[in-house]
Amino acid sequence: EAGVTQFPSHSVIEKGQTVTLRCDPISGHDNLYWYRRVMGKEIKFLLHFVKESKQDESGMPNNRFLAERTGGTYSTLKVQPAELEDSGVYFCASTPSVGDRRSSGRAHEQFFGPGTRLTVL
Amino acid sequence: AQSVTQLDSQVPVFEEAPVELRCNYSSSVSVYLFWYVQYPNQGLQLLLKYLSGSTLVKGINGFEAEFNKSQTSFHLRKPSVHISDTAEYFCAVGGTSYGKLTFGQGTILTVHP
Repeated sequence: EAGVTQFPSHSVIEKGQTVTLRCDPISGHDNLYWYRRVMGKEIKFLLHFVKESKQDESGMPNNRFLAERTGGTYSTLKVQPAELEDSGVYFCASTPSVGDRRSSGRAHEQFFGPGTRLTVL
Repeated sequence: AQSVTQLDSQVPVFEEAPVELRCNYSSSVSVYLFWYVQYPNQGLQLLLKYLSGSTLVKGINGFEAEFNKSQTSFHLRKPSVHISDTAEYFCAVGGTSYGKLTFGQGTILTVHP
C-alpha cells in the first residue's frame, strides 16, 4: 500500500509569488489533514477534509491560503501571495473513514506524508 | 481547547542507556494521546497511542508510554536506546475520533555511541 505522498518536496519562492502544494492521501482514505510547522515551533493543524468537504478549517491562518480537494482524492494547498512568515514544512495526513474495515487496529492513526519544505525569500 | 507541552527540547543520551521523553497535556475533554517519531527526511510515523483501557501502552521499536490522568502526563520511555533511535519525537493529543491533532514542540533525541 502506497503511503501519503506530497509534491514538491522543497519549494523556494519569492515574497508575493504563488505556490501550490499537493497531497495524495492513501487510496480510499476519506479524511485528509493539512498541518504546518514553522521553524522552531510546534506542528499546527490547518484544516481537515472529509472527502471533498471541509470539515474543520479553524487552523487556516488567513485568506491567502486556499485548500481544495476536488473529487475527494488528492488535495492542493495554494498560498497566494506568499509572505515570509509562510515559510515552514507543510505536512499532509490521511485516515480511513469510520467503519472502513481497513482501519481495524489502526483507529485514530493519522498517516503522514514526508512534508513539503517551503521557503519564502 | 487542548495543549501539549514537551518539557525537553533536546535529550542527549548514550547508546544502551534508558531514556524518558516527557509530555504533559491539558484538555477539557477526554483525550486520545499519541507519540510520533520523525527520522531525518521522512514523514511522521506513529510510535504508539493511548485510546482507552490499560494506561501502559507499548509501541514499536521497544518504546512504551504511560498515561497518567491525575498528572495529565504521557511520558515516553525506552529501557535501552540505539543509535538508530536518533530522531525527533512528537507528543500529540486528539479530542475526537477523526479530528485534528494538537502537537507538542518536539524533542530531539540524540543517541551517542
